[in-house]
Amino acid sequence: QKEVEQNSGPLSVPEGAIASLNCTYSDRGSQSFFWYRQYSGKSPELIMFIYSNGDKEDGRFTAQLNKASQYVSLLIRDSQPSDSATYLCAVNSDSARQLTFGSGTQLTVLP
Amino acid sequence: DTEVTQTPKHLVMGMTNKKSLKCEQHMGHRAMYWYKQKAKKPPELMFVYSYEKLSINESVPSRFSPECPNSSLLNLHLHALQPEDSALYLCASSQAPGTKTYGYTFGSGTRLTVV
Repeated sequence: QKEVEQNSGPLSVPEGAIASLNCTYSDRGSQSFFWYRQYSGKSPELIMFIYSNGDKEDGRFTAQLNKASQYVSLLIRDSQPSDSATYLCAVNSDSARQLTFGSGTQLTVLP
Repeated sequence: DTEVTQTPKHLVMGMTNKKSLKCEQHMGHRAMYWYKQKAKKPPELMFVYSYEKLSINESVPSRFSPECPNSSLLNLHLHALQPEDSALYLCASSQAPGTKTYGYTFGSGTRLTVV
């Protein structure tokens, strides 16, 4: 069983819609959760991190964490074509002492 | 501009060549990482240095040899690579493993092609 799972997509949403990206993890000891955006041919860029249950908002992005259900999600409001990228979920657990990445979800925002 | 600088951005090498990838960060981070990423796949961890000491080696073939000369620099020495080693090689840094603020900052990567 993969430690961090994401729907690989592709996920397509129209411009202006809300894009919802989901991630589940298996290690209950995980403490920190990260979302990276990666454009084709580029390196991953950290866009959100969350440690506590609930929601964390930053501009058009909202990260949601539910440790009891072991899932973390990323909502992108008012999606723009420039949001088209692969979104990687990453999870930190002290036992692993490293970030574990999901396989990524490819998002396409259609003009 | 990224705060983790990788050079070169592109590298083409033959299977008998020896080359090195370089990575530099000036954020005071004490953990540095090498990742390999193939197309449409997530980054795959190769090595972790914590306080300039190799702490994780994910069973990487010996044709890849990491080096951490100081807390700001990380090298990856390449020798006798195979065409299947062609990939994007990413360097990243973070505060020391175990701290809560554990997000990585990635460099822009080196696109390696082995011919």
